[in-house]
Amino acid sequence: DTGVSQDPRHKITKRGQNVTFRCDPISEHNRLYWYRQTLGQGPEFLTYFQNEAQLEKSRLLSDRFSAERPKGSFSTLEIQRTEQGDSAMYLCASSLHVNEQFFGPGTRLTVL
Amino acid sequence: GESVGLHLPTLSVQEGDNSIINCAYSNSASDYFIWYKQESGKGPQFIIDIRSNMDKRQGQRVTVLLNKTVKHLSLQIAATQPGDSAVYFCAENVQAGTALIFGKGTTLSVSS
Repeated sequence: DTGVSQDPRHKITKRGQNVTFRCDPISEHNRLYWYRQTLGQGPEFLTYFQNEAQLEKSRLLSDRFSAERPKGSFSTLEIQRTEQGDSAMYLCASSLHVNEQFFGPGTRLTVL
Repeated sequence: GESVGLHLPTLSVQEGDNSIINCAYSNSASDYFIWYKQESGKGPQFIIDIRSNMDKRQGQRVTVLLNKTVKHLSLQIAATQPGDSAVYFCAENVQAGTALIFGKGTTLSVSS
């Protein structure tokens, strides 16, 4: 257990529905990252925050995706109008300054 | 695009053998490299990192070697144990603290 928690661990939804995931980083970590991982592939970067500021977004983060970290602590990732191609493991990681990133267990999303 | 790749998708070894997992990276500007271990259903677990101003770093039973001339990274695991069975990813940062770029992974299987 790295100290990064994610909720829920599993989510099954129907195409077109909205879903929201939550990540709680290690408490003193100022950076928080979201990645997506599909079967057999390495994680792909989506976005990251330094405190409450969203500093970088990948082109993978379409306009259906939005991430927030309102108080610089936990973060949420929302996917609107889900599509079957959104099915993946969504991973959150946190780091203190520019040190190593510690990953949570992930939220596995299945879109039917 | 720039990406990190691995030479072999799978590696099978006997318990007690030394394992070597290789990775080739393409971005000569990358400054920071990390090896992660991922077990089924879990998030990636940090193993060891190395910065571009080093060519070798040792941890407990693990050693990472960096050859910037040929843009090659390797992870050596001494006295491999069944608990080492997992998928191993190398990842790179152009700038530490920003997005990690992951390769596809090598599945290590250790038989006793």
